[in-house]
Amino acid sequence: NAGVTQTPKFQVLKTGQSMTLQCAQDMNHEYMSWYRQDPGMGLRLIHYSVGAGITDQGEVPNGYNVSRSTTEDFPLRLLSAAPSQTSVYFCASSYRAGADTQYFGPGTRLTVL
Amino acid sequence: GQSLEQPSEVTAVEGAIVQINCTYQTSGFNGLFWYQQHAGEAPTFLSYNVLDGLEEKGRFSSFLSRSKGYSYLLLKELQMKDSASYLCAVRDPPGGYNKLIFGAGTRLAVHP
Repeated sequence: NAGVTQTPKFQVLKTGQSMTLQCAQDMNHEYMSWYRQDPGMGLRLIHYSVGAGITDQGEVPNGYNVSRSTTEDFPLRLLSAAPSQTSVYFCASSYRAGADTQYFGPGTRLTVL
Repeated sequence: GQSLEQPSEVTAVEGAIVQINCTYQTSGFNGLFWYQQHAGEAPTFLSYNVLDGLEEKGRFSSFLSRSKGYSYLLLKELQMKDSASYLCAVRDPPGGYNKLIFGAGTRLAVHP
């Protein structure tokens, strides 16, 4: 199993550009989520999904969209990038909502100029 | 709401024992997690405590006191590879869909 994979690893955007961060898992996990991590702050939940076709907002959802058309994939879309979205983005999954262990992807380091 | 506090940095010597603390305030409680995160890498799961007491996993142990809103991670026989950030987290809301609230993390530096 590849586990949780994320692409790209690094990305530089200009203010106002849009892009999609990809996340995939091959463990047949029901639950997937997106976090951002900023210096001096913990991981903050952006959006999550408890299964295909079901998504919901986390702690900091503004400026981001998600969809879950398949169990495996959970892309995160930045609609109009802003410098405040410069961060490291982690995707995570667990076999079901409420499971004890989440598995994190390697992260995407995004810089918005 | 939920909030967690951790010291920002702890230093220790190789071979020693170190304790990393986490205090939390929650409107309810359904377990506390500890994750390890090496610089530039993803967090990895270490432990999950839902009942009071100490749980041991090899060199790592985690303690929980629900009445005091307090947990700590105990690392024994420290090795250089233990240098990392350690994040505590609680569920939000308690019993919900695995929405986790994380503390800011404690950076552990292990010196020879």
